[in-house]
Amino acid sequence: QVQLVESGGGVVQPGGSLRLSCAASGFTFSSYDMHWVRQAPGKGLEWVAFIRYVGSNENYADSVKGRFTISRDNSKNTLYLQMNSLRAEDTAMYYCAKENYGEWYFDLWGRGTLLTVSS
Amino acid sequence: QSALTQAASVSGSPGQSITISCTGTNSDIGSYKFVSWYRQHPDKAPKLMIYEVSKRPSGVSDRFSGSKSGNTASLTISGLQAEDEADYYCCSYAGSNTVVFGGGTKLTVL
Repeated sequence: QVQLVESGGGVVQPGGSLRLSCAASGFTFSSYDMHWVRQAPGKGLEWVAFIRYVGSNENYADSVKGRFTISRDNSKNTLYLQMNSLRAEDTAMYYCAKENYGEWYFDLWGRGTLLTVSS
Repeated sequence: QSALTQAASVSGSPGQSITISCTGTNSDIGSYKFVSWYRQHPDKAPKLMIYEVSKRPSGVSDRFSGSKSGNTASLTISGLQAEDEADYYCCSYAGSNTVVFGGGTKLTVL
């Protein structure tokens, strides 16, 4: 079954850290660029980060640059998002999304994992 | 990395057609063919409806169509149905391996 399953969300205090995971199945994970997209409660979608299929190239939204790190383990078919120095405004549902062959659209999304940053 | 501009809401009656516009800049929509549209029902993950401005993924109804002129992209839904009621987001490549979304438009089917 072709799917993405996020995990690792939870409640974290401001300034804290957390790592999200996204397990891929049903397709050749190592062939596709991947992204994280987030959605604050009641708000719109916000692109967060991108990583090339070989893991050699990545980029971030200005709002998370220097605090978040995207990575992947193609041997485990898993995408990660390491989040440090968390702020209240990072509270959101975090989705991983598969990009289709360098065409900058997302044809597969996970169900998301919820991060709450609160004291 | 400024969000693309969408109207907050739009509405239509069953059977009617509606168009949702998405305005960007010369740095995103105006420079690339990589415009996509997503539908999101409450508490669900987004679903791809249109990619590369006007292409439909397999399984998406031909009632959905997309276009682009200059810095503005549009999504048209014809023959509105109750199931079309959802939030719709545009998205564009913005260069340097970055992506930008629109703020979202809530479609109400009256």
